[in-house]
Amino acid sequence: DTGVSQNPRHKITKRGQNVTFRCDPISEHNRLYWYRQTLGQGPEFLTYFQNEAQLEKSRLLSDRFSAERPKGSFSTLEIQRTEQGDSAMYLCASSPDAGLARQNEQFFGPGTRLTVL
Amino acid sequence: SQQGEEDPQALSIQEGENATMNCSYKTSINNLQWYRQNSGRGLVHLILIRSNEREKHSGRLRVTLDTSKKSSSLLITASRAADTASYFCATDNTGFQKLVFGTGTRLLVSP
Repeated sequence: DTGVSQNPRHKITKRGQNVTFRCDPISEHNRLYWYRQTLGQGPEFLTYFQNEAQLEKSRLLSDRFSAERPKGSFSTLEIQRTEQGDSAMYLCASSPDAGLARQNEQFFGPGTRLTVL
Repeated sequence: SQQGEEDPQALSIQEGENATMNCSYKTSINNLQWYRQNSGRGLVHLILIRSNEREKHSGRLRVTLDTSKKSSSLLITASRAADTASYFCATDNTGFQKLVFGTGTRLLVSP
């Protein structure tokens, strides 16, 4: 069990550029979540996948944001036309499906820190 | 938006002392969870308490939940320098584990 991994760990980009982040969940976990955390705040929910289906999106996720989980394994989060307000830590988490032990615990990755200049 | 607020925002204690953090939330919940975050290990799940439970223990951690007051507390006993971190409460009120985090308590434990 290598845990949840995220790449890249840091990303610096200029305003207006597109960026894409990747999350690899724990292999047997069907549920995958994206959160955003700004300095001094707790993480805020962005979106949730059950296998490859995206079941909920936060109002925080504007049209410039898109997330995919094409084969129900890894996920990508893309931000188009980045703005300085997008600067934050983007966290991915996964959890086991219902019926398995510790199903309500989420396992977080180390995050991708985005800086938009 | 943040569901809960932790109190205090920051707490500084000496090793061996107990640390108590409080969390208040706004809506009914399925469960409440506490997470720890530090720069070395990211966000780590500590303990989960369900809405029909009032108290739970895990090692040096004790969590209470008062659903009538919409509040929870986390007690860390015999604190260690390694407990230095930010502590967040998170509520699940949807059943599919969409967690809503509080604002966090920054704990500093000095040797």
